[in-house]
Amino acid sequence: AQSVAQPEDQVNVAEGNPLTVKCTYSVSGNPYLFWYVQYPNRGLQFLLKYITGDNLVKGSYGFEAEFNKSQTSFHLKKPSALVSDSALYFCAVRDRGGANNLFFGTGTRLTVIP
Amino acid sequence: EAGVTQSPTHLIKTRGQQATLRCSPISGHTSVYWYQQALGLGLQFLLWYDEGEERNRGNFPPRFSGRQFPNYSSELNVNALELEDSALYLCASSSAPGLAGVNEQFFGPGTRLTVL
Repeated sequence: AQSVAQPEDQVNVAEGNPLTVKCTYSVSGNPYLFWYVQYPNRGLQFLLKYITGDNLVKGSYGFEAEFNKSQTSFHLKKPSALVSDSALYFCAVRDRGGANNLFFGTGTRLTVIP
Repeated sequence: EAGVTQSPTHLIKTRGQQATLRCSPISGHTSVYWYQQALGLGLQFLLWYDEGEERNRGNFPPRFSGRQFPNYSSELNVNALELEDSALYLCASSSAPGLAGVNEQFFGPGTRLTVL
């Protein structure tokens, strides 16, 4: 069975500070991992993905994520938060040997405080 | 290039009625996915269509069904609507995985279904 856990429903960070949004996953094999962002009244926008190779993945809008196989984690990070980063963030996983559909976490609402 | 489009934007139905939601994928994408985003439940996978065939189904009752047309657009049908079907229904599309093994899914803006 595949699953994703986002342990924090809400993350608050001051503008200019680094931010981290946590994600842990469970799959039977090796994972494909994704981060998406959802702005109010909008669909999901793709941020980045981990397929293979370098554990540090760089994505859109200055975001990056680090794949840690031993901790089964894929935390999203950004060195300096912007107010415009405030949104709902979803982590998703897919088993390499499985079907194409994604399993999503319940989302983390990030609020960047000016 | 146009993104994934969905119609209608909003849909209001009463219990027991049927709802039909539509999705047009990005040009060149052959896979369409449907997800339900209910309040507090995150995104739940509903259905995956590729090349006109249903490839996988999530843990939803049979009254949730759909199809993919030859032009790769898709319909999601929900029969015998229940109050708990009220949610945002998101459609996503992706191209064939190719050598990369997987391609990201691109999402539409969603259809907000309200069941009264």
